[in-house]
Amino acid sequence: GAVVSQHPSWVICKSGTSVKIECRSLDFQATTMFWYRQFPKQSLMLMATSNEGSKATYEQGVEKDKFLINHASLTLSTLTVTSAHPEDSSFYICSARVATGTSGSQGFGPGTRLTVT
Amino acid sequence: AQRVTQPEKLLSVFKGAPVELKCNYSYSGSPELFWYVQYSRQRLQLLLRHISRESIKGFTADLNKGETSFHLKKPFAQEEDSAMYYCALFGNEKLTFGTGTRLTIIP
Repeated sequence: GAVVSQHPSWVICKSGTSVKIECRSLDFQATTMFWYRQFPKQSLMLMATSNEGSKATYEQGVEKDKFLINHASLTLSTLTVTSAHPEDSSFYICSARVATGTSGSQGFGPGTRLTVT
Repeated sequence: AQRVTQPEKLLSVFKGAPVELKCNYSYSGSPELFWYVQYSRQRLQLLLRHISRESIKGFTADLNKGETSFHLKKPFAQEEDSAMYYCALFGNEKLTFGTGTRLTIIP
């Protein structure tokens, strides 16, 4: 259970362009999805939490206009990095959870490596 | 605010020796704690959670509320245990990770 897929697994883009990353829950309906960012040899830093049909909640220091999150259905969330710059290069990981109010079942995607040139 | 601290970034242990990865937490409510493992070039996966009190791959972890700790232990390390280990706390509807400990088992 709690299988999560991410697409693409890696992407290279030019500075100033936008990149969209998709996250899908494959075997369950995810009431909540999370987006994390992981720098090399560092831990996962939570960027934002999104609930289906409502606006995402961003962590302190994360620009909501830079990192657009859309959670249009119970199985799909997207993260769009707008006007990407080299400092946005990182490993982005999504996670999906099946129930609110408890830890539920939370699965992680394989991650997307973004390189901005 | 909730916080998870893993004091050791790197830990090397000989095969067959006991392993202990430390984790301390800070949370005002009643926490749910987890250990996740990330093997080389693989996604993060759940190792164990404190509420189930189970043993996975020989690993156990006991929640000590007095010391606010959730250390991960294994009596006899195996080479395949080499990986990155993250302690995590679920609270306020989100999962917060520690900085991780890279465990290397020396043959």
